[in-house]
Amino acid sequence: DAGVTQSPTHLIKTRGQQVTLRCSPKSGHDTVSWYQQALGQGPQFIFQYYEEEERQRGNFPDRFSGHQFPNYSSELNVNALLLGDSALYLCASSLNRWETQYFGPGTRLLVL
Amino acid sequence: AQSVSQHNHHVILSEAASLELGCNYSYGGTVNLFWYVQYPGQHLQLLLKYFSGDPLVKGIKGFEAEFIKSKFSFNLRKPSVQWSVTAEYFCAGTDFTGGGNKLTFGTGTQLKVEL
Repeated sequence: DAGVTQSPTHLIKTRGQQVTLRCSPKSGHDTVSWYQQALGQGPQFIFQYYEEEERQRGNFPDRFSGHQFPNYSSELNVNALLLGDSALYLCASSLNRWETQYFGPGTRLLVL
Repeated sequence: AQSVSQHNHHVILSEAASLELGCNYSYGGTVNLFWYVQYPGQHLQLLLKYFSGDPLVKGIKGFEAEFIKSKFSFNLRKPSVQWSVTAEYFCAGTDFTGGGNKLTFGTGTQLKVEL
């Protein structure tokens, strides 16, 4: 049974560009959450998707947006990248919006 | 706002020493609490969780944690550590406000076990 998968593993962008990160949840999971983990910090909640809609959102600007597809996979989009967006972006999935979250390996984004 | 605090940012122990990592939370009502571990070069893995019932929960690799509601604490313990548990440990919680299981994490504790 494959766990949560994310792509790409690493990404380098320049300021002002846009980026799309992808996540496939564990088999049977319908809820996907995204987190940002800056160096030396704990993960910070960005938003959560289930039934193809954003259901909860953390304190992140509108430059951060997402999408969930009918097969429950998800994308995180970040527009107008800033240097401060450099971080590890984690995707987590859960059976539903009440159960334990399981994390993927993350995408490390570097903004130059 | 809900918060989770981990007061030990760096801990260094010798093998066979006992471990206790502190975690405090600020939720007022029903809360689910977790410890996740991140080994070097690996992704976040669930160590153990508390949902309800017995406040002493046991996880993988001999770890356990005790939920003490009166102290708003959920400390992680292991009687005897091995070099292989060198990793970063994160405490996290959720209270389902907002209709989902959004996790709030502490800043993490970097544990180094020396031979």
